This record gives sequence, structure tokens and C-alpha cells, in this order.
Amino acid sequence: GNSVTQMEGPVTLSEEAFLTINCTYTATGYPSLFWYVQYPGEGLQLLLKATKADDKGSNKGFEATYRKETTSFHLEKGSVQVSDSAVYFCALSFPGAGTALIFGKGTTLSVSS
Amino acid sequence: EAQVTQNPRYLITVTGKKLTVTCSQNMNHEYMSWYRQDPGLGLRQIYYSMNVEVTDKGDVPEGYKVSRKEKRNFPLILESPSPNQTSLYFCASRPTGSGWTPLHFGNGTRLTVT
Repeated sequence: GNSVTQMEGPVTLSEEAFLTINCTYTATGYPSLFWYVQYPGEGLQLLLKATKADDKGSNKGFEATYRKETTSFHLEKGSVQVSDSAVYFCALSFPGAGTALIFGKGTTLSVSS
Repeated sequence: EAQVTQNPRYLITVTGKKLTVTCSQNMNHEYMSWYRQDPGLGLRQIYYSMNVEVTDKGDVPEGYKVSRKEKRNFPLILESPSPNQTSLYFCASRPTGSGWTPLHFGNGTRLTVT
């Protein structure tokens, strides 16, 4: 079946450090890939997405590249801030109005000043 | 402001006492969905609805009911809650049609069943 695997957290970094959160997927066909972010006490917000191989999604300094050959969609940011502390979810979905998002288990990021 | 509103934000109840978590969206979205979030398991879909009077099971529907009598509302009903339904619940919506659009999530309902 279709699934998403994320690196386990928590990830603890100092401000301005480089961030990588690994995400790999298993899917039949060619899904779209997403990163969602959940700030404390809030719902999930879309951070970035990529809909086909080699696409790079980017937003707020975060980037992720859809790598079909390694079935990966790793999230990176060159210099994290305290305000980036949140839970990050990798997810996949297939085209079609009724298809669900399939989420990874989430990775908690904690950034200290 | 475009939003998905869930109520209540926090709910503590006892086993077997029926409860309803409400979800309302003001964006005229056709698609609505309920997820539960549990530590170490991520988010799992409970039920979804493609439009009024059209609902379908997600991955973990047991113990839950939903209804979609109006486009804006998609309540989640627990007829006889049990402790294993203690969780953080999210409602989400998006439009259907051509192109891809992201899910809009509510802020969550934290349910504790004792």
C-alpha cells in the first residue's frame, strides 16, 4: 500500500543551524508530495508541495525536491529560526477529488536561541 | 476570514456518553474530511464527504459516524465513546474541481474519554 516514512524526532537545533528532515514514500503510481507544518495549538498548514518528479517546492526558506529515483522528499532549510519550532508532516496524495492525504508520523522540531 | 471552525476545542467525557464534534467551513468547499492525530501514528482519516449527502469511510471509521446535510457542516458523532477514541481530531476541507488545492484544517478538538 501507499505510505510515508519520516525520520523520528525530536530534532533539536540552535538558531541559524541547517535543517534536514528526511521523508521517503512508498506508492503505486506517481503521487503528489507535500510538507505540512503544525504550530502549537493549531491545525496543519500547507508548507510546500511538488506534483511531479524533479519538482522543487519552496516556501518561507524551506525547500524539498521530489526525487523519484530515491522515492524521497526531504525537507531542508539553510538557517532555522526559533519561530520554526513546530511539528512537520510529510504527506502524499494522488490526483482525484476524493483521494485522501496519507501522512507520515510527524517530526517535532525544536529550535533554541 | 476563510476558515474551518471546530467545536469544542477541548472535551472530556465518560465511556458510552454520546457526543458530537461540530465542524463548519465558510469557503463553500465541497470536500470535507475528519482526521485523528495520535502520537507515533500521525494523522489518519476517519471519514470524508465529497458533497452534501455523500460520505465515505476513511482508514479508521470504526466507532464514528458523520453526516453532511448542508455543505458547510460536517459533524463527527461518537455514539458510544471508548477510551481508545481519546485523541486530537481535525476537520479539513477543500474545493473539488480542476486543479489541485490544499486542505484547510481546523484548529483541532482534543477529546479525552475516561
